[in-house]
Amino acid sequence: EAGVVQSPRYKIIEKKQPVAFWCNPISGHNTLYWYLQNLGQGPELLIRYENEEAVDDSQLPKDRFSAERLKGVDSTLKIQPAELGDSAVYLCASSSPSQPGELFFGEGSRLTVL
Amino acid sequence: GNSVTQMEGPVTLSEEAFLTINCTYTATGYPSLFWYVQYPGEGLQLLLKATKADDKGSNKGFEATYRKETTSFHLEKGSVQVSDSAVYFCALNRGSNYQLIWGAGTKLIIKP
Repeated sequence: EAGVVQSPRYKIIEKKQPVAFWCNPISGHNTLYWYLQNLGQGPELLIRYENEEAVDDSQLPKDRFSAERLKGVDSTLKIQPAELGDSAVYLCASSSPSQPGELFFGEGSRLTVL
Repeated sequence: GNSVTQMEGPVTLSEEAFLTINCTYTATGYPSLFWYVQYPGEGLQLLLKATKADDKGSNKGFEATYRKETTSFHLEKGSVQVSDSAVYFCALNRGSNYQLIWGAGTKLIIKP
């Protein structure tokens, strides 16, 4: 069974440029999460989807961040424009509603904003 | 509110030493408890879990027991290896309608 796939693994951009991250969850997992992880810290939830509906986006900075999950499968997280403080690892995870709390993570997308 | 507190790291041990990483929690109701591990350069992965009081989760030689009376879920391993070097996160979940609550993580360094 394929795991959670994220791309790109690494991205370096200049500040004020846009950037997008893509995630393909485990097949059959209805719940999809985007987390932000700064160096040496735990993950911070940005947004959680149940199928195609964003059920928790209270921590998403909506002035510059946006996300979508078309057809309830793949998801894209976008930042526009990026700021220096956005440099971090963006993690995608998915889970099955029958096993809440049991998240399967991708390898993450490391963003560096110069 | 709900929260998870882990012992601060880094924790540095010699190979074959006994490991304990403390985790305590505050939560309403009856949460499930988890340990996740993040090896260098990799994503997070579930190490073990326990869903009710007195349950013991175990995997790869690691164990943790859900202690409701002390609100704890300490991670233990009898003999650590260099390959166990990683960051360990304790977390709790109150159910499918709630997000996972994470501890700050404890970095473990095992020296040969």
